[in-house]
Amino acid sequence: DVKVTQSSRYLVKRTGEKVFLECVQDMDHENMFWYRQDPGLGLRLIYFSYDVKMKEKGDIPEGYSVSREKKERFSLILESASTNQTSMYLCASSFAKQPGSEAFFGQGTRLTVV
Amino acid sequence: DQQVKQNSPSLSVQEGRISILNCDYTNSMFDYFLWYKKYPAEGPTFLISISSIKDKNEDGRFTVFLNKSAKHLSLHIVPSQPGDSAVYFCAASDFGNEKLTFGTGTRLTIIP
Repeated sequence: DVKVTQSSRYLVKRTGEKVFLECVQDMDHENMFWYRQDPGLGLRLIYFSYDVKMKEKGDIPEGYSVSREKKERFSLILESASTNQTSMYLCASSFAKQPGSEAFFGQGTRLTVV
Repeated sequence: DQQVKQNSPSLSVQEGRISILNCDYTNSMFDYFLWYKKYPAEGPTFLISISSIKDKNEDGRFTVFLNKSAKHLSLHIVPSQPGDSAVYFCAASDFGNEKLTFGTGTRLTIIP
């Protein structure tokens, strides 16, 4: 069974803290993504990686960075957490060069910044 | 600029009837479209997809229709069941870009 696993289901962090969200996939997918989901805004892409050490900005990269040192792992970093980063964060992965390839999602991390 | 739009935030349908969820897009480069279903506190799961060379794709109770000239797609669920109650997202991509662009979602409630 395919799996995308996010390290935490729920996190509460303080304003200004550095926050790491981890994601691991076991499907040997080349592509990995970080989205955030907010009411009325749907899923918005933060960052995308198509290979180890490669990354591309998505639609809302400000305040975030990412790291992909191994193919199976993609980390999202909030350099200095702020209250407007309170959200549901979703990691996904997919095969590369397969048009229309479905993305598989993790269970999500509900982050609250206080 | 929202390139994929779902104009109905919510929809209620009687069990056994047809549910129709709509999605519009503005980017004419999109050539693959997908529907995802999401339950609370879970990640989205893939439901059905369609490429721009087709105008219909069916999988059991789920059918997706694509109208390229109108830049519109719809998801039909028939018959609707209580387990179909969830948020549905449409998503789109183009051949040269492997990112999925998602709509804002429609919350479907099936009334027993």
